[in-house]
Amino acid sequence: EVQLVESGGGLVQPGGSLKLSCAASGFTFSGSAMHWVRQASGKGLEWVGRIRSKANSYATAYAASVKGRFTISRDDSKNTAYLQMNSLKTEDTAVYYCTSPYCTNGVCSFDYWGQGTLVTVSS
Amino acid sequence: DIQMTQSPSSLSASVGDRVTITCRASQSISSYLNWYQQKPGKAPKLLIYAASSLQSGVPSRFSGSGSGTDFTLTISSLEPEDFGVYYCQHHTNWPLTFGGGTKVEIK
Repeated sequence: EVQLVESGGGLVQPGGSLKLSCAASGFTFSGSAMHWVRQASGKGLEWVGRIRSKANSYATAYAASVKGRFTISRDDSKNTAYLQMNSLKTEDTAVYYCTSPYCTNGVCSFDYWGQGTLVTVSS
Repeated sequence: DIQMTQSPSSLSASVGDRVTITCRASQSISSYLNWYQQKPGKAPKLLIYAASSLQSGVPSRFSGSGSGTDFTLTISSLEPEDFGVYYCQHHTNWPLTFGGGTKVEIK
């Protein structure tokens, strides 16, 4: 059974930092890309970024709203992906989900999601 | 960036009704379009991938169609458990983007 479990959320002051973790099991983590998606309370879904596998040089991509402040990394030996968030702003307050895409014939979709972890940026 | 526009933003329908939600991309995305359902306090659930392929385990009353820039999610006969917010999402280039969501309420 595929499981994605996020942790590390909490309350942080504006300008502060926080590191989220996403522990994966039930699939070949090392061969999979990992994505982060966030959702502010009462709002829609916003893609944050992704990291590809070692075979794809651990390439990363980010949304413009977080580029330069957030960094996605992974530790394949621990089956865990990370989201390092620096210079946090109040508008970063959201539930953060990790998700792994399933791709077939060049078409990708997010069929597995974690339960989400809440990040609150407030003074 | 590719913008995804959904309509309507909300709807209220009765059990048994046929419900249609549309999603328009700001440029052609071929069939790289997915649909998700989200219930309060839960992670999104994949319903349709590649515009028209039904995800395993999803009831057959859900269907998707379209290609290029215009897409449709149809619920052929609304059930009480179909309440929630529905999102479309493209998966072509970066950044990935989601539509603004359509909230479905049961009358």
